[in-house]
Amino acid sequence: DTGVSQDPRHKITKRGQNVTFRCDPISEHNRLYWYRQTLGQGPEFLTYFQNEAQLEKSRLLSDRFSAERPKGSFSTLEIQRTEQGDSAMYLCASRSTGAPNTEAFFGQGTRLTVV
Amino acid sequence: RKEVEQDPGPFNVPEGATVAFNCTYSNSASQSFFWYRQDCRKEPKLLMSVYSSGNEDGRFTAQLNRASQYISLLIRDSKLSDSATYLCVVMGYNFNKFYFGSGTKLNVKP
Repeated sequence: DTGVSQDPRHKITKRGQNVTFRCDPISEHNRLYWYRQTLGQGPEFLTYFQNEAQLEKSRLLSDRFSAERPKGSFSTLEIQRTEQGDSAMYLCASRSTGAPNTEAFFGQGTRLTVV
Repeated sequence: RKEVEQDPGPFNVPEGATVAFNCTYSNSASQSFFWYRQDCRKEPKLLMSVYSSGNEDGRFTAQLNRASQYISLLIRDSKLSDSATYLCVVMGYNFNKFYFGSGTKLNVKP
């Protein structure tokens, strides 16, 4: 399978614990995005990378959230001291910037439940 | 104001019906436009890109009106399998990130 993959698919954690999610983009894609989606809403932008450089972070991304893409390939999103409001689907997407109108391809998401 | 606005629906239509969705975007400098389809508890998947001249893919037709800053999607001869949420997606003016509408839910009934 050469699509975007995310791990884990589901995560249940207790409030206050730290969690880390992984995203493996399509291999030739230089741009990688993290989005968050809650029920009944469209995905909300969190952050994106161009290769290993994190170019933009949303104001939604509090200091409890950190994302890395150390070698310009896979990325991790860590949430520290989780809160119940962090419960959501975390989606990773990647795209190539070879042409301006190329679409983003999404992974299946990591569904986080904070109890 | 949200970057992209959509009517959340739901649109409940019988099989065979024609249904149209619109969405509006706030930034006139936006560059690229897409419709994504999202099934329940699944990831969004590209349905079609939206070009300035309009484009058609089988039963689906997308239109862009830059002057009025809206995008439309027309589905003809609806099938049960078209039931899903349709997300309007706009790429920012500098091709940096995507903005999503909240999605329009379509239910096609037998």
